[in-house]
Order: sequence, then structure tokens, then C-alpha cells
Amino acid sequence: AQSVTQPDIHITVSEGASLELRCNYSYGATPYLFWYVQSPGQGLQLLLKYFSGDTLVQGIKGFEAEFKRSQSSFNLRKPSVHWSDAAEYFCAVGARTSYDKVIFGPGTSLSVIP
Amino acid sequence: KAGVTQTPRYLIKTRGQQVTLSCSPISGHRSVSWYQQTPGQGLQFLFEYFSETQRNKGNFPGRFSGRQFSNSRSEMNVSTLELGDSALYLCASSLDGPGHNEQFFGPGTRLTVL
Repeated sequence: AQSVTQPDIHITVSEGASLELRCNYSYGATPYLFWYVQSPGQGLQLLLKYFSGDTLVQGIKGFEAEFKRSQSSFNLRKPSVHWSDAAEYFCAVGARTSYDKVIFGPGTSLSVIP
Repeated sequence: KAGVTQTPRYLIKTRGQQVTLSCSPISGHRSVSWYQQTPGQGLQFLFEYFSETQRNKGNFPGRFSGRQFSNSRSEMNVSTLELGDSALYLCASSLDGPGHNEQFFGPGTRLTVL
């Protein structure tokens, strides 16, 4: 069964600073990996996803993530954070078949200091 | 195209009552998944429907049920409400299933059980 951990419950960064959110997964095969963002009062929105190919994945809003199989990690990065990036970020692991469920990590809450 | 819509947005019920939540997926999406989001447990998978059939189910008691109609709209029902059922209930649609596809989330229904 899949599982996901996000070691950081809450992170605070200054506007303009770089950001890295950590994600570790457990899955028996090559996983489908996702990062979603949830702004206050909103549903979740996909930032990016990875299955195969280039291990550095580009997403929306200037985010990128790097898949490292040896570390079972899929960390999310952004070189310069904007105040509007303050939100909850969820890493998730899927599966090969479309009908399999997706398991979400506990989330990391990001605060941005102006 | 229109996004995922959920109705109602807010609900207040008392213990022992039952509730029905509704979700309209993006046009053309045949899969609808439901999640319960709470501060303590995070995002937990309830069930997934595809072409009116439940294909996957999470670890929730039988009080939680759902269905999907021929137009892909879905409803979930919670009977005999308990205080612990207070949560944000999110619906997500995808083309043919959540496992390796992007899920599009609705804004959620905030259920409060008194």
C-alpha cells in the first residue's frame, strides 16, 4: 500500500526567499506522484505530477519538483516565494491503474512574511 | 469549462440526523472521488465512482455511502451523524480515475455536527 509523509507541518519563509517542501513516499513500484495546493476556503489544485522521464518536473506558478528514487523523495521547490503562495501543500502518491486511490500526505502549511 | 461544483457549501446538523451532499463533476469526467478533510486526520479517501459503479472504498463505516448518476453527478450520504463527522467534504473529478490522473477538486462542503 502507498503512504506519504511530509515531515514539516508548518514552514514560514520571507517573501522572495527560496522554498523547499519535503515529501517522502512508500510504494512498491514506480509511483505516480503529485503536488497539490489548497488556498484557504478552496479545494485543491494540481501544481505538478510525475510518473516517468525527466526527474525534474516543472509545474504551474513557478514550482518544480525533483524525483529521487534512491531517497523515495519528491520535494517541491520554488526559487522565489510570493505572498500569494501562502497555502497548504499536499504531496500525494497514486498508482498505475486509474481506479486506484490516491493517498495524500498530511500537508505542509506555508506562511509567507512580507 | 465549468469546474467541479458542490452543494451545499455549508451545513449544520445535529447528532443522529442524516445528510446528503452533492457533487457535479467537470463535463466529460466519468470518475468522482470523495474525501473527508479534518485537521487531525488530513485528507482521507472515502470512495470513488466511475460510470455509476463504486470501484474503490476507504476505511469508513457503513454510515457513509454514495452513488453516481448516469450524468456522472454524485451524491454522498452520511446517516446517524456523529460529532466526529464534522469536516470538510471534498469531491474531485477526473477523466477515468484518480490513480494517475489529475483530479479537479470542488470547493467542498463544510459539515458541522452539533
